Amino acid sequence: EVQLVESGGDLVQPGGSLRLSCSASGFTFSSYAMHWVRQTPGKGLEYVSVISSNGDSTYYADSVKGRFTISRENSKNTLYLQMSSLRPEDTAVYYCVKGPRTIFGVVDYWGQGTLVTVSS
Amino acid sequence: EIVMTQSPATLSVSPGERATLSCKASQSVGSNLAWYQQKPGQAPRLLFYGASTRATGVPARFSGSGSGTEFTLTLSSLQSEDFSVYYCQQFNNWPYTFGQGTKLEIK
Repeated sequence: EVQLVESGGDLVQPGGSLRLSCSASGFTFSSYAMHWVRQTPGKGLEYVSVISSNGDSTYYADSVKGRFTISRENSKNTLYLQMSSLRPEDTAVYYCVKGPRTIFGVVDYWGQGTLVTVSS
Repeated sequence: EIVMTQSPATLSVSPGERATLSCKASQSVGSNLAWYQQKPGQAPRLLFYGASTRATGVPARFSGSGSGTEFTLTLSSLQSEDFSVYYCQQFNNWPYTFGQGTKLEIK
């Protein structure tokens, strides 16, 4: 059974930093692209970033480019999202999502999400 | 960025009836369209990909259709567990984008 467990969400002040982690199990983590998707009541669901199975390729939404960094540690079956220069509009539930074997394609399994709140 | 527009925003249907949900893309996405179901407090669950291919465990009374810019999700013989929010999402162009969702509620 595929399991994705996010952690690291917290309350942080504007301009601050935070690192999210996602622990994966139930599939060969190193063979699949991985995504971060966020959700807010106001803006709905928004793709944040994607990373290829070997970590060589990454893509970002314009709204986070230059501030967020996606990475992975295949030996630990773990996905990361380093967030810096956080803004109130980054407040959201962040989901770790399993992608296909290639970097682009449909995503299938989602974690339960971790809440990031950016507020003073 | 491709804009996905879902209609209606809210759909009220009686149990046992059929619901038809619409999703339109601002430009062609081919068949690179997925549908998700989301229940309160839960993550989205993949229902369809490739516009019409059911994901694992999705009942046959659910069907997806369309290509290009217009897509439809049809839910037949609605059961209590079907009343939730449904999202379409294109994965033809990065950044992938979602519609704003259709809330299916009990009439």
